Amino acid sequence: DTGVSQNPRHKITKRGQNVTFRCDPISEHNRLYWYRQTLGQGPEFLTYFQNEAQLEKSRLLSDRFSAERPKGSFSTLEIQRTEQGDSAMYLCASSPPPGLAGGHYNEQFFGPGTRLTVL
Amino acid sequence: AQSVTQPDIHITVSEGASLELRCNYSYGATPYLFWYVQSPGQGLQLLLKYFSGDTLVQGIKGFEAEFKRSQSSFNLRKPSVHWSDAAEYFCAVGAEGNKLVFGAGTILRVKS
Repeated sequence: DTGVSQNPRHKITKRGQNVTFRCDPISEHNRLYWYRQTLGQGPEFLTYFQNEAQLEKSRLLSDRFSAERPKGSFSTLEIQRTEQGDSAMYLCASSPPPGLAGGHYNEQFFGPGTRLTVL
Repeated sequence: AQSVTQPDIHITVSEGASLELRCNYSYGATPYLFWYVQSPGQGLQLLLKYFSGDTLVQGIKGFEAEFKRSQSSFNLRKPSVHWSDAAEYFCAVGAEGNKLVFGAGTILRVKS
């Protein structure tokens, strides 16, 4: 178990550029979540997947944000036409299914995050 | 809608002193409750969780938390703080769709 990994760890971009972040969940975790954390705040839920199905995306901040998990393994979060207000830490988490060693969907394991700075 | 309030933005304690971080939640049903810790620039590490049963739960690093339904609280405690405990602590409640709703966090400073 290598934990949740995220790449890149840091991204600096210019306003208007597109960025994509990757998240690799813990193997056998079928749920994957994306959160955004701004300075001085707790993480804010964005979207989540169960396997390859995106079960909720209403909290994605605008139509510039999209996420995919094409094969039910890793996931990507893309932000198009970045704005300075998109600067934040983007966190990914995964959770095990209830049938896996006492797993619980609410017990989420977080990656180290991707810090986005939009200039 | 679910919400979590952490009333203290900053707390400073002396090394070796006891610690209590406050958390109040709003949730209609029996809540699933969590405490996470975050070091600067890092992700969140789960300290402990409450799903059901014993209202006093033990976690990692010597932390414990007590669920009090009557007060809608889930306060985090540690009997003796170490300098390495300095970090930001987040309380969270499990919401619909199994997403987590977090409080704004409490920054813990430890003075020697």
